[in-house]
Amino acid sequence: GAVVSQHPSRVICKSGTSVKIECRSLDFQATTMFWYRQFPKQSLMLMATSNEGSKATYEQGVEKDKFLINHASLTLSTLTVTSAHPEDSSFYICSGSAGGSETQYFGPGTRLLVL
Amino acid sequence: GENVEQHPSTLSVQEGDSAVIKCTYSDSASNYFPWYKQELGKGPQLIIDIRSNVGEKKDQRIAVTLNKTAKHFSLHITETQPEDSAVYFCAAPGRDSSYKLIFGSGTRLLVRP
Repeated sequence: GAVVSQHPSRVICKSGTSVKIECRSLDFQATTMFWYRQFPKQSLMLMATSNEGSKATYEQGVEKDKFLINHASLTLSTLTVTSAHPEDSSFYICSGSAGGSETQYFGPGTRLLVL
Repeated sequence: GENVEQHPSTLSVQEGDSAVIKCTYSDSASNYFPWYKQELGKGPQLIIDIRSNVGEKKDQRIAVTLNKTAKHFSLHITETQPEDSAVYFCAAPGRDSSYKLIFGSGTRLLVRP
């Protein structure tokens, strides 16, 4: 299957700082990328959908000014958590799909801990 | 898609036995149903998917069946092994976009050696 990488794999930051997470599709062009958040022992909750070169579409209840998403190329999307707070601590996972396909390939996830 | 219910939430089987996980969906227009396996601390891995033009698909020990009339689909794992232990998620397309996936709540499978 297609490979998606994320960096960093885990990050610890102080409350009030910003954190950037990178998501890369390594062997395919991801026309669409998705960002999910997963709390312990829970399912994946979609935060936003981004198409290359377009603004991201955020799910209801997700603050677009707090979770900045950039999808500048067909192989890279970034999620920036601005002014992070302890309640933002979670497992953030991205996925990518190639043009016209419903199949999503997931990255390994980034564990964020905000102190 | 839109509303996807998954059960059971936990499943414990003896090594070598079969495991079955079921999901139901609400949107009759849904036409794509993937299953993902997530190991602890890792991202979900696509293990099998099915489209609405077929009723069953197999890949070695894994199979998925789809009943469009009843709006449910199931994952079948035969000859289970300890390495099958993980959390399994079903998914279906969101109503407002065929590219967005709505995930079930997950099933924690434990295969006892």
